[in-house]
Amino acid sequence: KAGVTQTPRYLIKTRGQQVTLSCSPISGHRSVSWYQQTPGQGLQFLFEYFSETQRNKGNFPGRFSGRQFSNSRSEMNVSTLELGDSALYLCASSSRDRVAEQYFGPGTRLTVT
Amino acid sequence: GNSVTQMEGPVTLSEEAFLTINCTYTATGYPSLFWYVQYPGEGLQLLLKATKADDKGSNKGFEATYRKETTSFHLEKGSVQVSDSAVYFCALSEDNYGQNFVFGPGTRLSVLP
Repeated sequence: KAGVTQTPRYLIKTRGQQVTLSCSPISGHRSVSWYQQTPGQGLQFLFEYFSETQRNKGNFPGRFSGRQFSNSRSEMNVSTLELGDSALYLCASSSRDRVAEQYFGPGTRLTVT
Repeated sequence: GNSVTQMEGPVTLSEEAFLTINCTYTATGYPSLFWYVQYPGEGLQLLLKATKADDKGSNKGFEATYRKETTSFHLEKGSVQVSDSAVYFCALSEDNYGQNFVFGPGTRLSVLP
């Protein structure tokens, strides 16, 4: 079974721009979660989607948004980028019958200049 | 709120040494506990988990026991290898469906030949 895939793997943007990251979960998984990983803050939960509905949201500003499509693929959008948004963005998927067992993708490394 | 505390790294060991990485948690309910491992340039991989008190999770020679009385989930391995060099994250989840994980800061392990 193919793992979680994320595209692109690397991205460089300038302040004020917006960016869209994509995540394809493991086949059959309907839950997708997004995390931001930085050296200073560690891993922080952004949001989680299940069946195209956002079920949980972390403590991030409204510039961070996401959505999930009917095939469970998910996108994350960050508008008006700031230098502090530079991070590794990780996506994780899970099947509902596996208690909180998440499988992570390799991440998208975003650099904001 | 919920939180996870891990021992500060980096931890440097010689091959075949015994490994312990301490993890303690604070939670309002009865969380599931996890250890994830992140190899350089990759996403997180689930290493092991325990869903209730006194459960022992194990995988690839690693073990951790869910100790409710001490709110701990320490990771151990009897004989580490160079290939175990990675960052190890302890995590908890109280929400089986929302999957709102809380991660510890991570502990970097370096194993020398």
